[in-house]
Amino acid sequence: EVQLVESGGGLVKPGGSLRLSCAASGFTFSSYSMNWVRQAPGKGLEWVSSISSSSSYIYYADSVKGRFTISRDNAKNSLYLQMNSLRAEDTAVYYCARDRADYDYVWGSYRYQFDYWGQGTLVTVSS
Amino acid sequence: DIQMTQSPSSLSASVGDRVTITCRASQSISSYLNWYQQKPGKAPKLLIYAASSLQSGVPSRFSGSGSGTDFTLTISSLQPEDFATYYCQQSYSTPPSTFGPGTKVDIK
Repeated sequence: EVQLVESGGGLVKPGGSLRLSCAASGFTFSSYSMNWVRQAPGKGLEWVSSISSSSSYIYYADSVKGRFTISRDNAKNSLYLQMNSLRAEDTAVYYCARDRADYDYVWGSYRYQFDYWGQGTLVTVSS
Repeated sequence: DIQMTQSPSSLSASVGDRVTITCRASQSISSYLNWYQQKPGKAPKLLIYAASSLQSGVPSRFSGSGSGTDFTLTISSLQPEDFATYYCQQSYSTPPSTFGPGTKVDIK
């Protein structure tokens, strides 16, 4: 059974730092790209960052670029998000999500979807 | 970046009703469209991928259609467990992978 379990959330002051972890099990972690997606209280879903299976490709939303760093340790089946210079607007539940690809035979390319999600960890940035 | 819109933003329906939610992309995204269901306090769950493919384990009352810029999620006969918020997501031009603002389905 695929499981993703986030940890590391909590209350932090503006300007502070926090490191989130996502422990994966039930699948070959090193074969999948992974993502962080967040949801501010009462708001919609916002993609934050993604990392390819071998960490060769890393992407960030403009809202976190230069402040957040995504990484992974395939030997430990773990995904991380280092969050620095935190702001009140970073307050959200942070989910890790697995990237799955299906092949589009018409266009000869891959389509992606987030097929498994963790339960989320709450980050609150407040003085 | 590709912008996603959804309509309506919320709707009230009864058990057994047919429900349709629309998602529109700011430019053509072919069939690179996914639908998710989220219940309060829970993580999103993948329902439909590639516009019309049903995710494994998802009841057949859920269906998706569309291509290009206009997409539809249909629930053929609404069940009590279907009251939730539904999000569309484009995966055509990433990053960023953008979500729609959501459609909340509640009980009439």
